[in-house]
Amino acid sequence: DIQMAQSPSSLSASVGDRVTITCRASQNINNYLNWYQQIPGKAPKLLISVASSLQSGVPSRFSGSGSGTDFTLTISSLQPEDFATYYCQQTYSTFGGGTKVELK
Amino acid sequence: EVQLVESGGGLVQPGRSLRLSCKASGFTFGDYPMSWVRQAPGKGLEWVGFIRSKSYGGTTEYAASVKGRFTISRDDSKNIAYLQMSTLKTEDTAVYYCTRHSDVGAIDYWGQGTLVTVSS
Repeated sequence: DIQMAQSPSSLSASVGDRVTITCRASQNINNYLNWYQQIPGKAPKLLISVASSLQSGVPSRFSGSGSGTDFTLTISSLQPEDFATYYCQQTYSTFGGGTKVELK
Repeated sequence: EVQLVESGGGLVQPGRSLRLSCKASGFTFGDYPMSWVRQAPGKGLEWVGFIRSKSYGGTTEYAASVKGRFTISRDDSKNIAYLQMSTLKTEDTAVYYCTRHSDVGAIDYWGQGTLVTVSS
């Protein structure tokens, strides 16, 4: 099975900061990589599919990049509603361990 | 409006079985692959498995942690997906989400989740 390693597992940031989360696959997964946001007590929400395609309604401060084994999710200017846990997922398969974004 | 409503969760003893159901509405259920994803208390998301649409054979794939114990099926005439869980272990305790895949394979809709607690 392909493993998905996300880093960091948590980070502290301030409103307005630029935040980058990385996800590394143990094998080449082309661009079959999705990003989700989960707020405590809620179901996850799809942010980005096929590595870089922003879902409708998701703010443009979110962006995704990468292919093969290395991927990144970037939040260009962190907003109060962005404090949450973020997960990468290989399409139809494994999730990364999650990155909790907390207020500094 | 797409809706996924899970049911069937509850308290079950180790070694026993339980079946979860996911009633779908608001879309042509039979056209979409469906997955189950779980989340243990305070932990991250874990993919459990998925079932392809009948157009792609209706076949299934499972995570190694549940393979041989869990079975996903679907009844397209009733718009329901099922997760049959057998030989349950305490580590199967989690909220189980029913999910739908988009045309590019990402999970675009999630149910509200149903809690399964495996304990004696």
